[in-house]
Amino acid sequence: QKEVEQDPGPLSVPEGAIVSLNCTYSNSAFQYFMWYRQYSRKGPELLMYTYSSGNKEDGRFTAQVDKSSKYISLFIRDSQPSDSATYLCAMTGGGNKLTFGTGTQLKVEL
Amino acid sequence: NAGVTQTPKFRVLKTGQSMTLLCAQDMNHEYMYWYRQDPGMGLRLIHYSVGEGTTAKGEVPDGYNVSRLKKQNFLLGLESAAPSQTSVYFCASSYLPTGPGEKLFFGSGTQLSVL
Repeated sequence: QKEVEQDPGPLSVPEGAIVSLNCTYSNSAFQYFMWYRQYSRKGPELLMYTYSSGNKEDGRFTAQVDKSSKYISLFIRDSQPSDSATYLCAMTGGGNKLTFGTGTQLKVEL
Repeated sequence: NAGVTQTPKFRVLKTGQSMTLLCAQDMNHEYMYWYRQDPGMGLRLIHYSVGEGTTAKGEVPDGYNVSRLKKQNFLLGLESAAPSQTSVYFCASSYLPTGPGEKLFFGSGTQLSVL
């Protein structure tokens, strides 16, 4: 069983939709949680991070962590075609090892 | 700002050939990483370095070697390439170890095919 599970998609939504992306994890040592966005043929870039249970907002993006259920989510409001990318969850207990999910491919259509 | 630069961007090797992937960063970061990305497997850490002259094994180090002779450069070597090493390779760097808010800066990747 992988430490981090993420639905690979692809997920296709119309412009303006609310998107929910999710990851589950099994390692209780994970304390810090991140979402990276990866455009086609590019390296990942950090979108959001959080280290506590609850919600964190940044513009149209909301990161949610539920440590009791070992479940994290990324919500995108008013999705735009420019949001079309692969979204990777990542988590760590600290140190130098970051464990990534496999990524969810999102397409926002006009 | 160039950020993290990887060379080459594409390469095709025959089984048994050797090659070196070069990563350069201009942000004065202490920490540098090599990842591989495969469909269905996500990003997996190959080797990393916590400073000039240091290297350490990651999750999937077999078949690879690394060197960090200069702070700004991190080299990944394949001594005898195998088809299982066909992948997209990403270099990344950070100022501090991964943790709350510490951002990894990634290069654009090297697409490697081993025939």
